[in-house]
Amino acid sequence: LAKTTQPISMDSYEGQEVNITCSHNNIATNDYITWYQQFPSQGPRFIIQGYKTKVTNEVASLFIPADRKSSTLSLPRVSLSDTAVYYCLVGDGGGATNKLIFGTGTLLAVQP
Amino acid sequence: KAGVTQTPRYLIKTRGQQVTLSCSPISGHRSVSWYQQTPGQGLQFLFEYFSETQRNKGNFPGRFSGRQFSNSRSEMNVSTLELGDSALYLCASSLDRGAFYGYTFGSGTRLTVV
Repeated sequence: LAKTTQPISMDSYEGQEVNITCSHNNIATNDYITWYQQFPSQGPRFIIQGYKTKVTNEVASLFIPADRKSSTLSLPRVSLSDTAVYYCLVGDGGGATNKLIFGTGTLLAVQP
Repeated sequence: KAGVTQTPRYLIKTRGQQVTLSCSPISGHRSVSWYQQTPGQGLQFLFEYFSETQRNKGNFPGRFSGRQFSNSRSEMNVSTLELGDSALYLCASSLDRGAFYGYTFGSGTRLTVV
């Protein structure tokens, strides 16, 4: 069963690039890595998902090394509205025995 | 298209009572999963339903149960409520089973047990 670990909090300033890393030492072969953003009193919102190497979409990039024991969410040029808690989720891509494991969450505080 | 709808948004119950929470997934989504979120434990997986069958279950006592209907709507029930059950309960739907398809979350039901 995968266990995920993230930094509790990070601080940044507007316009900077922010990298948040999630460690998942016991990731299974068919596990996918997904990142979510959560604002207070709302459900998590999908940001990006990947299996290996690098994935990029219009809001973020996801870097996954070859051993897949960690992943890094990269947010380019953050703004005040990016202040939120970010979670990584490691889950079985096949769904046969998935026990979805959320990371501990990283509170990103963006200052002007 | 409509997102994942959870009702009610807020609920206050007394210890020992039972509660039923409802989740309506995105149209066409067949997988519904439930999570408990608390400040101390973070987001914890409760269970997942697919085609009216429970496919996976997290490490929660039997007081927590759920079901899924033929239209994919799901309900979660907690019996004999304890103070520690106070939490934000989140429901997520997915097109199909497995994390590959991604999950869309509702806004949650905030349950307070007094």
